[in-house]
Amino acid sequence: EPEVTQTPSHQVTQMGQEVILRCVPISNHLYFYWYRQILGQKVEFLVSFYNNEISEKSEIFDDQFSVERPDGSNFTLKIRSTKLEDSAMYFCASNSGGVSPLHFGNGTRLTVT
Amino acid sequence: QKEVEQDPGPLSVPEGAIVSLNCTYSNSAFQYFMWYRQYSRKGPELLMYTYSSGNKEDGRFTAQVDKSSKYISLFIRDSQPSDSATYLCAMISVSSNTGKLIFGQGTTLQVKP
Repeated sequence: EPEVTQTPSHQVTQMGQEVILRCVPISNHLYFYWYRQILGQKVEFLVSFYNNEISEKSEIFDDQFSVERPDGSNFTLKIRSTKLEDSAMYFCASNSGGVSPLHFGNGTRLTVT
Repeated sequence: QKEVEQDPGPLSVPEGAIVSLNCTYSNSAFQYFMWYRQYSRKGPELLMYTYSSGNKEDGRFTAQVDKSSKYISLFIRDSQPSDSATYLCAMISVSSNTGKLIFGQGTTLQVKP
């Protein structure tokens, strides 16, 4: 069964550094997402991406964050200058459109020290 | 009032028990409902997807939606130790054109052999 894959599984970085989290969505899906889960808290929406542009973003997704689909398969989340509070699990997801269910990757655990 | 409320538990049951997991929501625009299972340090895995009031069954799992009460449930029959995980309800608004999911807090379930 096709799946969403994310790399790396764990990233440790120092405060103020830039990180790029990578995702390969399911190949025939058209909509891509990033969600975040701080330890012990809810899974929270960050951003949705369709047709090479952001379709919706949350208040969390400020100017420090950006997303990109650099080629036909990868979807990336960049955090330009990491803060301690960015430490969380970051999940990539994709779906075939609109209100169809999202399929999630296993996440990247980001630790900012 | 939170948009989606879910008792975090933990809920502990003996193997073979019937488990009932529930969420309530406040926004009547939510029309699409999902249940995800999340094992520790893994991504949410889709279990059930429904959009109409009533019951939907898949193997040992039954999803129930009551839109008039803004209440959804997931029942697990003949629960197994492998069902031990966190169960997340998630919803999409009918007005969403981005597939943005709103999650509950998640209920931690432990099934004891």
